[in-house]
Amino acid sequence: GEDVEQSLFLSVREGDSSVINCTYTDSSSTYLYWYKQEPGAGLQLLTYIFSNMDMKQDQRLTVLLNKKDKHLSLRIADTQTGDSAIYFCAEGLGSKLIFGQGTTLQVKP
Amino acid sequence: DVKVTQSSRYLVKRTGEKVFLECVQDMDHENMFWYRQDPGLGLRLIYFSYDVKMKEKGDIPEGYSVSREKKERFSLILESASTNQTSMYLCASSLPGRYEQYFGPGTRLTVT
Repeated sequence: GEDVEQSLFLSVREGDSSVINCTYTDSSSTYLYWYKQEPGAGLQLLTYIFSNMDMKQDQRLTVLLNKKDKHLSLRIADTQTGDSAIYFCAEGLGSKLIFGQGTTLQVKP
Repeated sequence: DVKVTQSSRYLVKRTGEKVFLECVQDMDHENMFWYRQDPGLGLRLIYFSYDVKMKEKGDIPEGYSVSREKKERFSLILESASTNQTSMYLCASSLPGRYEQYFGPGTRLTVT
């Protein structure tokens, strides 16, 4: 069945790069997404990648997709304290999104 | 900008009460979704709707029902609230054929 897995926690120092990883099981996904949830808020769409792409860059964000291994990653360059949040990856299937458990990113000053 | 609003940010109800959670979107989206979010479990889909008066069960519909009488409004109903329904509830909307969903701020429901 459909499953999306993420590690639950990542801690980095301000200014370092953060890499959040995600694996998914359904190879028929056409789009894969990253959402950010700040404390007490809903989810905000950060970026997405089409399944025929390997990489997408958007300012400090880089998304890498390894379709063979069904592995997705989000790299945040020069991580700031304002990047502290929960990050969810999601795969688009049918007309729904299947979400991972979310990775809590802690940024230490 | 798409705006999705939810009727309450925080709600406290007693076991056995009937609870209504309201969601309104202002971008004329056909698709609307209700999720619950629990630590370590991510978002789990409760119900979704593709159009007025249409509804489909998600992964965890038990104990919940929904109503969509108008395109912009999607309501989640807990017929008889139980303590295991204490959770954060998130509403989202999207255009047909598009996966990107836009989320409301969430309702944190506590059932005592």
